[in-house]
Amino acid sequence: NAGVTQTPKFRILKIGQSMTLQCAQDMNHNYMYWYRQDPGMGLKLIYYSVGAGITDKGEVPNGYNVSRSTTEDFPLRLELAAPSQTSVYFCASSYNGAYNEQFFGPGTRLTVL
Amino acid sequence: AQKVTQAQTEISVVEKEDVTLDCVYETRDTTYYLFWYKQPPSGELVFLIRRNSFDEQNEISGRYSWNFQKSTSSFNFTITASQVVDSAVYFCALSEAGTSYGKLTFGQGTILTVHP
Repeated sequence: NAGVTQTPKFRILKIGQSMTLQCAQDMNHNYMYWYRQDPGMGLKLIYYSVGAGITDKGEVPNGYNVSRSTTEDFPLRLELAAPSQTSVYFCASSYNGAYNEQFFGPGTRLTVL
Repeated sequence: AQKVTQAQTEISVVEKEDVTLDCVYETRDTTYYLFWYKQPPSGELVFLIRRNSFDEQNEISGRYSWNFQKSTSSFNFTITASQVVDSAVYFCALSEAGTSYGKLTFGQGTILTVHP
């Protein structure tokens, strides 16, 4: 099993550009999450999904959108990138929400200039 | 609201020393889950342990041990005979059963540096 995979690993965007961060998992987990990690900080939840077709906002959703058309994939869309979105983005999945540990992807380091 | 505090921002030790990383949490839920994750310099997050609020038994896994005390709302992590490979950022995290989708609230992390 590959676990949780993310692409790209690194990306530089100009202010106002858009992009999609890809996330996929092959563990048949229903729950998937997007977090961002700013320097010297813990992770903050952007969006989550409890199954295909069901998504909801986390703590810091502004400037982002998500979709979940399949169990495996959970892409994160950035519209009109801003310098405040410079961060490391982690995708995660878990079998059963609060009751189980989350497995994390390797992260995407995004810089907005 | 749930909150996790890791008061130690950075810890520096010499190899073979024992080191304890502190974690204090706040929650109104009676059922919750506590986690420790390791983030080595390569950047990925590695799951170390999960503990539910009804299980206060301490746990030992090799050189790692965890002390969970509900009375003080603490879930501390001890590394015995530290090694250079233990150098990483360690995060304590909390999820509440009442938030069934599993939102993890992370502490700010403790940077551990083990010198040879």
